[in-house]
Amino acid sequence: GAVVSQHPSWVICKSGTSVKIECRSLDFQATTMFWYRQFPKQSLMLMATSNEGSKATYEQGVEKDKFLINHASLTLSTLTVTSAHPEDSSFYICSAYTSGTYNEQFFGPGTRLTVL
Amino acid sequence: RKEVEQDPGPFNVPEGATVAFNCTYSNSASQSFFWYRQDCRKEPKLLMSVYSSGNEDGRFTAQLNRASQYISLLIRDSKLSDSATYLCVVRAAGFQKLVFGTGTRLLVSP
Repeated sequence: GAVVSQHPSWVICKSGTSVKIECRSLDFQATTMFWYRQFPKQSLMLMATSNEGSKATYEQGVEKDKFLINHASLTLSTLTVTSAHPEDSSFYICSAYTSGTYNEQFFGPGTRLTVL
Repeated sequence: RKEVEQDPGPFNVPEGATVAFNCTYSNSASQSFFWYRQDCRKEPKLLMSVYSSGNEDGRFTAQLNRASQYISLLIRDSKLSDSATYLCVVRAAGFQKLVFGTGTRLLVSP
């Protein structure tokens, strides 16, 4: 159990376009989902925390108007990178948390974004 | 100063060797501690939680020293498949947010 999926697994887009990444908890309901970003040879950096039905909480330095997060249900959160630029190229990873049986975060497989 | 600090390595060891990684954290309010493993271009996966009394899982032993704010991971009898980046992770009490170290890269060679 406790499987988290992400879609797409990789995406290449042109500068100025928007990209939507989906994160789904497949076999449990996630009260909270987290979005991380990882640049090469660096650690995961938390971008934002989203709770179902409420606005996401963004970490300092992360532009909420650029990285739109929607957590419409207990099994789905989306991250939209608006007007993407080459410096947004990174590995985006989501995690889903439940305080129920597991009480831990489970990570999705990540989405590799390349902006040309 | 980073909230979680690790030696980035890489640590190059032969198969069968014992290797130890260290980690320090700055937030004294941290309550939960973990070691994650991350393979290249993959998501991190929980290796083990770390408890104050120390804990062991097969070839892996984790230790926590709250007074020194120091966490360690010992890997015995290294296997080729242990090659990966090991991430030290902490969580403050009352929060779900995980804070990751930059990771220590391990390369096990034949």
